[in-house]
Amino acid sequence: GAGVSQSPSNKVTEKGKDVELRCDPISGHTALYWYRQSLGQGLEFLIYFQGNSAPDKSGLPSDRFSAERTGGSVSTLTIQRTQQEDSAVYLCASSLTSGGGETQYFGPGTRLLVL
Amino acid sequence: AQSVTQLGSHVSVSEGALVLLRCNYSSSVPPYLFWYVQYPNQGLQLLLKYTTGATLVKGINGFEAEFKKSETSFHLTKPSAHMSDAAEYFCAVDSSNTGKLIFGQGTTLQVKP
Repeated sequence: GAGVSQSPSNKVTEKGKDVELRCDPISGHTALYWYRQSLGQGLEFLIYFQGNSAPDKSGLPSDRFSAERTGGSVSTLTIQRTQQEDSAVYLCASSLTSGGGETQYFGPGTRLLVL
Repeated sequence: AQSVTQLGSHVSVSEGALVLLRCNYSSSVPPYLFWYVQYPNQGLQLLLKYTTGATLVKGINGFEAEFKKSETSFHLTKPSAHMSDAAEYFCAVDSSNTGKLIFGQGTTLQVKP
């Protein structure tokens, strides 16, 4: 079946602009995660959604970052007033449920460059 | 707090040689442990994971890892490296049982002909 898809694959924006990154998880997966991969910080957890529960936002680096998940499926990560340090690859992953050692399936990522 | 340490950001082996990638973690509770591989310009792919039970875990492409609680380690091995194994490898831990993965810094494996 189809894996996790993300769009766009690449995004170049100017400092101060807002960007939206999209993630389509595997159908039927109730858990969805966002991670950021950057040269300086490695792979960092940002936020996760489990079913209809309130999302765990503990990894979001600032209040410029937000995410939503509509209808328990597609998720959008929004970065407002982008800064150059936001340049990174943003990875989305989904799993059947959260925790318990469940395997997370990762999308190919969105490469964001802030000029 | 949880943390993961991967010793060696770059490892180079000859084709056919043993691959050993080291991972140590800190966790106050028994964790779930994972190894992921990332090929250039691709997402992460699960190699193997430890949840419960047998401490020697076998994964895809001939890789295996052993969970050693006393050493807080989860080293990844493969008896004979292949050129196609060249990639970046990440060790990760989930000790909150939420799926929030804490990753190591990654190890780039180079395989020389």
